[in-house]
Amino acid sequence: EAGVAQSPRYKIIEKRQSVAFWCNPISGHATLYWYQQILGQGPKLLIQFQNNGVVDDSQLPKDRFSAERLKGVDSTLKIQPAKLEDSAVYLCASSLEGLYGYTFGSGTRLTVV
Amino acid sequence: RKEVEQDPGPFNVPEGATVAFNCTYSNSASQSFFWYRQDCRKEPKLLMSVYSSGNEDGRFTAQLNRASQYISLLIRDSKLSDSATYLCVVNTNAGKSTFGDGTTLTVKP
Repeated sequence: EAGVAQSPRYKIIEKRQSVAFWCNPISGHATLYWYQQILGQGPKLLIQFQNNGVVDDSQLPKDRFSAERLKGVDSTLKIQPAKLEDSAVYLCASSLEGLYGYTFGSGTRLTVV
Repeated sequence: RKEVEQDPGPFNVPEGATVAFNCTYSNSASQSFFWYRQDCRKEPKLLMSVYSSGNEDGRFTAQLNRASQYISLLIRDSKLSDSATYLCVVNTNAGKSTFGDGTTLTVKP
């Protein structure tokens, strides 16, 4: 079974620039999550999709972050404009159902300078 | 107070030792619980689910105490390869997941 695919692996941008991350979940997984993990902390949920609908985006900074999951398969997360404090690893995860454990992708390490 | 709290450690133990971590949660409506392992600069990986009756997987034992709202992870006969950060995850029945900040374990020869 192929895992959760994410790209790019690394990204360095200047503050105020924009950036986009891509995620392709495990085939058949209806639930997709984007997490932000700052060094030394646990992952923090940004947004949860069930198929192509948003289940929870309460912690997504909507003034600068956006995410979509067209057709209920792959997803993109965008930051515009980026701030220094957005430097983190952005993890995508998928699961069959919300109450089961997730499978994470390898993440995108973002550095904002 | 954080929804999910873990002792950050670090826990430094010799090979062969038994070590236990606790994780407390504040939402009494929490329904499912997990332990994840995260190696340095890697993604978290599911270690085990935590059931009300407790469960064991080799050297690892997970337990849930709903009355006191905590889960635990016990590692027996620690190996060098067990060195990692252990994250607990608490899910509500609405599917909302909250991660703890992790407990760092270092097993030394």
